[in-house]
Amino acid sequence: GAGVSQSPSNKVTEKGKDVELRCDPISGHTALYWYRQSLGQGLEFLIYFQGNSAPDKSGLPSDRFSAERTGGSVSTLTIQRTQQEDSAVYLCASSSNSGAGNEQFFGPGTRLTVL
Amino acid sequence: EDKVVQSPLSLVVHEGDTVTLNCSYEVTNFRSLLWYKQEKKAPTFLFMLTSSGIEKKSGRLSSILDKKELFSILNITATQTGDSAVYLCAVGPTYKYIFGTGTRLKVLA
Repeated sequence: GAGVSQSPSNKVTEKGKDVELRCDPISGHTALYWYRQSLGQGLEFLIYFQGNSAPDKSGLPSDRFSAERTGGSVSTLTIQRTQQEDSAVYLCASSSNSGAGNEQFFGPGTRLTVL
Repeated sequence: EDKVVQSPLSLVVHEGDTVTLNCSYEVTNFRSLLWYKQEKKAPTFLFMLTSSGIEKKSGRLSSILDKKELFSILNITATQTGDSAVYLCAVGPTYKYIFGTGTRLKVLA
């Protein structure tokens, strides 16, 4: 596609439920990032995929969070047993390379609200 | 601990004014600094500054990087209401960019 797409755009769930957020990166981009942006905060790095290498999961806040990237393209971020503090906008970005200085193209984000 | 600090937190100006946004950082093994504009959800890329490119300009926007003093500024001249947004600064030692909390700019007609 022309840009990074994410779905759903909004998700409202009840505390304790699992949610899946999807990211479709720009075709051909090997690097994919997930970020979380809480209200009034900057972007918080969650996880990074680069090609077939093992992902960098160092930013995941707890073991309730996991992500996978199938076939080097689409990625899914899963949050199990959601908590109210998980409410945030989840942004996905992709870039053509992982090297420093490569522009990241962001998707429109998924706004997650946990009641 | 690596950190990126942006100032001011928010700014209100009138159309035609010039604004300067600041980004200071403490990052191990600095490689690049990025500026983004975030109007709704998705940040859009403005500039990338590295050791080999410490000054960038695009239309009314310009940015410089001071690697010695560890800061960058983003200048916007002749501001327009369409410049109203949150401006994010991100600094990367590698791919793991560290973002500041942003400066919220509001331009009044």
